[in-house]
Amino acid sequence: SQTIHQWPATLVQPVGSPLSLECTVEGTSNPNLYWYRQAAGRGLQLLFYSVGIGQISSEVPQNLSASRPQDRQFILSSKKLLLSDSGFYLCAWSQPTSGGETQYFGPGTRLLVL
Amino acid sequence: DAKTTQPNSMESNEEEPVHLPCNHSTISGTDYIHWYRQLPSQGPEYVIHGLTSNVNNRMASLAIAEDRKSSTLILHRATLRDAAVYYCILDTGNQFYFGTGTSLTVIP
Repeated sequence: SQTIHQWPATLVQPVGSPLSLECTVEGTSNPNLYWYRQAAGRGLQLLFYSVGIGQISSEVPQNLSASRPQDRQFILSSKKLLLSDSGFYLCAWSQPTSGGETQYFGPGTRLLVL
Repeated sequence: DAKTTQPNSMESNEEEPVHLPCNHSTISGTDYIHWYRQLPSQGPEYVIHGLTSNVNNRMASLAIAEDRKSSTLILHRATLRDAAVYYCILDTGNQFYFGTGTSLTVIP
């Protein structure tokens, strides 16, 4: 069966520090991968998605970047965190289909920037 | 502008059916409608999805209006474990567009 892992679960970082969040998927190959951010009490906002190694699409201009160094690994990074980067970060995967694909979400990373 | 609109909150008594509405008036012909639910501090969980026809699975039913501008998630018998935030989502093929969700409270 497929599983998705995210770490760390929680993170407190000072403003201006770098960030690296990791997501890995097991039990599938060539998945589509996604990074979302959820502000408190809000819906999810898509930040990045990837259809293959080294292929990253950004949906929202921001202080963050993403990379996919391996087929089932997706990394969210920042060189200098802002207060507004605080939130709940969720990674998701899906199996490419012709439409209506289901996305499976990881447990999330709660980031607090102080 | 949000692509889906939902009531902020709803209540239901345990063991009774729940109808969660969603408006998506700007939906295009190839957009799928998904429903996910989320418990506090967890990732969203898939509930159901559909394109044009009504759909049933072991968790819920999805009723889609004939003009596809609205849909309703139906939980046939609410349990305490169904208390969560329910998101109605438009899937354009490139992206999931989440609304702000409906927080469902189930009263014992």
